[in-house]
Amino acid sequence: AQSVAQPEDQVNVAEGNPLTVKCTYSVSGNPYLFWYVQYPNRGLQFLLKYITGDNLVKGSYGFEAEFNKSQTSFHLKKPSALVSDSALYFCAVRDSYSSASKIIFGSGTRLSIRP
Amino acid sequence: GAVVSQHPSWVICKSGTSVKIECRSLDFQATTMFWYRQFPKQSLMLMATSNEGSKATYEQGVEKDKFLINHASLTLSTLTVTSAHPEDSSFYICSARDVGQGTDTQYFGPGTRLTVL
Repeated sequence: AQSVAQPEDQVNVAEGNPLTVKCTYSVSGNPYLFWYVQYPNRGLQFLLKYITGDNLVKGSYGFEAEFNKSQTSFHLKKPSALVSDSALYFCAVRDSYSSASKIIFGSGTRLSIRP
Repeated sequence: GAVVSQHPSWVICKSGTSVKIECRSLDFQATTMFWYRQFPKQSLMLMATSNEGSKATYEQGVEKDKFLINHASLTLSTLTVTSAHPEDSSFYICSARDVGQGTDTQYFGPGTRLTVL
């Protein structure tokens, strides 16, 4: 069975500081990993994904994430936070490249950037 | 990125009526679409997987006779909440899977807020 954990319900960062939103996963096969962002009363926006290749993945809005197989982690990072980055962030995983496999979401982490 | 639209963005209905929500992939074809439900301050709960030209696959605990899903074309899936009750009030989000040109990513619609009075 696959699962994904976001250990922090909320992360608070000052504008201009680096930010990290943590995510760990568990799958039986090779993981497909995703990050999505949700603004209030909106759907999810795709940020980035890891399927294969370089462990450091760059995505939208200056975000990046690092795939760490040994630690089964896929933390989201940004070198310099903006107030507009404040939103709800979801990590997601799918087990293998299969049309039958389902994407599983973490519980979400609310990111709050203070001016 | 690819665009997925949902209509309506919000709807208020009386208890006992039915509501249809449309989900469209605007610039790609999607043989697989997904319907999620999200409660306040919670993560997304997968309700069902919608497969073009075949029956939807429902998650455990989701009533298929209450939440009717139709995926009649490669760009459109509909969710009909039949005989809606106040406990059906929620934020419903659809997603379409884009597997074209070597990619494999789910894109999400903006969501539909359903309020049942």
